[in-house]
Amino acid sequence: KQEVTQIPAALSVPEGENLVLNCSFTDSAIYNLQWFRQDPGKGLTSLLLIQSSQREQTSGRLNASLDKSSGRSTLYIAASQPGDSATYLCAANILTGGGNKLTFGTGTQLKVEL
Amino acid sequence: DGGITQSPKYLFRKEGQNVTLSCEQNLNHDAMYWYRQDPGQGLRLIYYSQIVNDFQKGDIAEGYSVSREKKESFPLTVTSAQKNPTAFYLCASTLTSGSADTQYFGPGTRLTVL
Repeated sequence: KQEVTQIPAALSVPEGENLVLNCSFTDSAIYNLQWFRQDPGKGLTSLLLIQSSQREQTSGRLNASLDKSSGRSTLYIAASQPGDSATYLCAANILTGGGNKLTFGTGTQLKVEL
Repeated sequence: DGGITQSPKYLFRKEGQNVTLSCEQNLNHDAMYWYRQDPGQGLRLIYYSQIVNDFQKGDIAEGYSVSREKKESFPLTVTSAQKNPTAFYLCASTLTSGSADTQYFGPGTRLTVL
């Protein structure tokens, strides 16, 4: 059974700092790895999707990498801003016969301070 | 505007009562999903539907039921058999049931059992 772990569970950084969020998964047989953002009491917003054949994806100040062989993905946030404060979730899309099924990590709660 | 709507935002239920959560999408997506989120835990899949008039159990389907009579609607009923229903419920959809698609999420419904 696929398990997804995110470290650290919480992170507080000063504004302007570059930071890395970590995600690990136990089963390397994945279709893709997705990163989401969740604000308190809200739904999830998709940030980046990395296909299993890709090594990284970039969107603005965000860069996500994927290393299937080691079962790891990282989300790099450059020049962090207070508006980046949220919980970041990664999810592995596993290879089953049932279509698009995601296994989620428990998230990293990020606080960017002025 | 295209998107996913969930209603109500907050729902209170007495023990022993069934309650139905609404999920509607106007994205013309084929597949829809229901997740449950508890504090400190990742999202867990309850049910999913790849196409109209078809749905499958997810990892924690006991005590829940769904229907998919229309493409745009995927209501979730929390029955009295669900022993710990207090949680945040999220609905999502994808364009197809194919594994490469990003999941789009609604704003969620917070259910509290009194």
